[in-house]
Amino acid sequence: ILNVEQSPQSLHVQEGDSTNFTCSFPSSNFYALHWYRWETAKSPEALFVMTLNGDEKKKGRISATLNTKEGYSYLYIKGSQPEDSATYLCARFNTGKLIFGQGTTLQVKP
Amino acid sequence: GAGVSQSPSNKVTEKGKDVELRCDPISGHTALYWYRQRLGQGLEFLIYFQGNSAPDKSGLPSDRFSAERTGESVSTLTIQRTQQEDSAVYLCASSFQSYNEQFFGPGTRLTVL
Repeated sequence: ILNVEQSPQSLHVQEGDSTNFTCSFPSSNFYALHWYRWETAKSPEALFVMTLNGDEKKKGRISATLNTKEGYSYLYIKGSQPEDSATYLCARFNTGKLIFGQGTTLQVKP
Repeated sequence: GAGVSQSPSNKVTEKGKDVELRCDPISGHTALYWYRQRLGQGLEFLIYFQGNSAPDKSGLPSDRFSAERTGESVSTLTIQRTQQEDSAVYLCASSFQSYNEQFFGPGTRLTVL
């Protein structure tokens, strides 16, 4: 098992704040890193699939960067909104399957 | 188009009974995964099917757990002689190829009394 670690475990911010969280993973034999958003009472939904060192992806106010040599990825949310409240999961692709971190739970207060 | 569907959405069973959970993946997706999330814990990989290859069962927690997939369609996860520690949300996901983004179903919440 290749452990994927996420920090912080939870985060409370005010509406309008920008925030970021970290995913760290073993850098050897890297293939891909996935980010998912999991809202309460819904299914996890893919945000990004990242493969290249230095990759940066963006979807609206959410962006992510990837450093495969040192084994970390950052997820950024600019100008957080209450609808961004969710658990954000990263997962390392390894021999056909995803190994998930424990997630960062974000709560955005209006 | 239709997403991944799972049934039942909720299942309450007594300790020692067998249960069967069903997953209908997105049509054309060759890869299918089962995960579970126990209370307060992260998503735990259980089993992975890719096309006609032998499934990767490395995440199954015990021999009471088994899963089948018919071709590239429906999958069933069977838990025999359920225990209280089997209580969890069981999620199914599918993807076009194993390295692509996964699409998750709504999950089955299993409660073992």
